[in-house]
Amino acid sequence: ETGVTQSPTHLIKTRGQQVTLRCSSQSGHNTVSWYQQALGQGPQFIFQYYREEENGRGNFPPRFSGLQFPNYSSELNVNALELDDSALYLCASSLSGLGEKLFFGSGTQLSVL
Amino acid sequence: GESVGLHLPTLSVQEGDNSIINCAYSNSASDYFIWYKQESGKGPQFIIDIRSNMDKRQGQRVTVLLNKTVKHLSLQIAATQPGDSAVYFCAEIFRYSNDYKLSFGAGTTVTVRA
Repeated sequence: ETGVTQSPTHLIKTRGQQVTLRCSSQSGHNTVSWYQQALGQGPQFIFQYYREEENGRGNFPPRFSGLQFPNYSSELNVNALELDDSALYLCASSLSGLGEKLFFGSGTQLSVL
Repeated sequence: GESVGLHLPTLSVQEGDNSIINCAYSNSASDYFIWYKQESGKGPQFIIDIRSNMDKRQGQRVTVLLNKTVKHLSLQIAATQPGDSAVYFCAEIFRYSNDYKLSFGAGTTVTVRA
């Protein structure tokens, strides 16, 4: 186990709703990044937070937003959910903003109906 | 079995044989690369990493090779075991100033035959 925990493990929402996913990073890690993994595909980088500031972002629309808290835990918020948002959402933590040696949680499986 | 130079979505390997998994990356400015293993129902697990100023790095039973000329990365697994069955992803990381981008490859599903 990596020490990165995500909640909830599974979630069902309907189109148009908003969702908040949570991640606790491994002890001592100050950087958290989020990924979307569709079935049968590789993870897609959403964004990264280093010491509470976003320091990198992938090709996701603004309705995907995040926060990192002083204890380095993090939230991923998705507004106006679409059916294509159904995926496994993974959180990873690392020791520095350089994003090296990422340690992943087991993910939150989101289904949008 | 092995594949050289070509990314294959699946790889079937006899237990005890060596495996080679290939990956092509896209950004010549990427300066750090990681291989991950993902088992069903779990998040990706770190295997080994390599910086762009190196062309080879060895770990326990694994070796990563980096060829920057053709933007190619490979993972070699020695004496493949049933527990090695999983999906393997390469990831490239681009870092410049305050910008950070990570991209995963398409993934290779490795099945180990007993």
